[in-house]
Amino acid sequence: RKEVEQDPGPFNVPEGATVAFNCTYSNSASQSFFWYRQDCRKEPKLLMSVYSSGNEDGRFTAQLNRASQYISLLIRDSKLSDSATYLCVVGGGSNYKLTFGKGTLLTVNP
Amino acid sequence: NAGVTQTPKFRVLKTGQSMTLLCAQDMNHEYMYWYRQDPGMGLRLIHYSVGEGTTAKGEVPDGYNVSRLKKQNFLLGLESAAPSQTSVYFCASSPLGGGVVQFFGPGTRLTVL
Repeated sequence: RKEVEQDPGPFNVPEGATVAFNCTYSNSASQSFFWYRQDCRKEPKLLMSVYSSGNEDGRFTAQLNRASQYISLLIRDSKLSDSATYLCVVGGGSNYKLTFGKGTLLTVNP
Repeated sequence: NAGVTQTPKFRVLKTGQSMTLLCAQDMNHEYMYWYRQDPGMGLRLIHYSVGEGTTAKGEVPDGYNVSRLKKQNFLLGLESAAPSQTSVYFCASSPLGGGVVQFFGPGTRLTVL
């Protein structure tokens, strides 16, 4: 099983759509979870951390299921500016490492 | 604050040439990292540092060396570049290790012919 596995994508959705990304991780000792966003030819940037109780930031909702080792990201009312690659990131299994998924490309169309 | 900066932004090398990529951060972070990103492979950790004067190997360290002589700087060296090292290189820093958020520089696009 890959350390962090994401939906392969790509996702193409119309403006205003709701889109969900899923991610699974293999290391049950993982302690921290994030979603990063990466625009084309740019660096990854933190979108949001993911907490066990679930958390929301505007149109973005992240969920964590430790028992299933599963992370999700929901984007509501998609905007053109949401077009990017979304990276699932897991950390804390060792004392330095973040493990990045390969990312899922989202394109929001007018 | 500039955050994390990288120089150069682009570079083309011939096989066998050497070069050094510079990463600088002004956030007083202890941890610094070098990654490479290739299509279909995701981000892979090359080397990292947990403080001034320390370095350690990541997942794909072969062909690279690093130095952290000053807390704010982390250098990545390629002694004898190979076409397989054509990639986008990202530097990152974090205030702690252990899965704390990492902040990335804008990247260096390296092509080895």
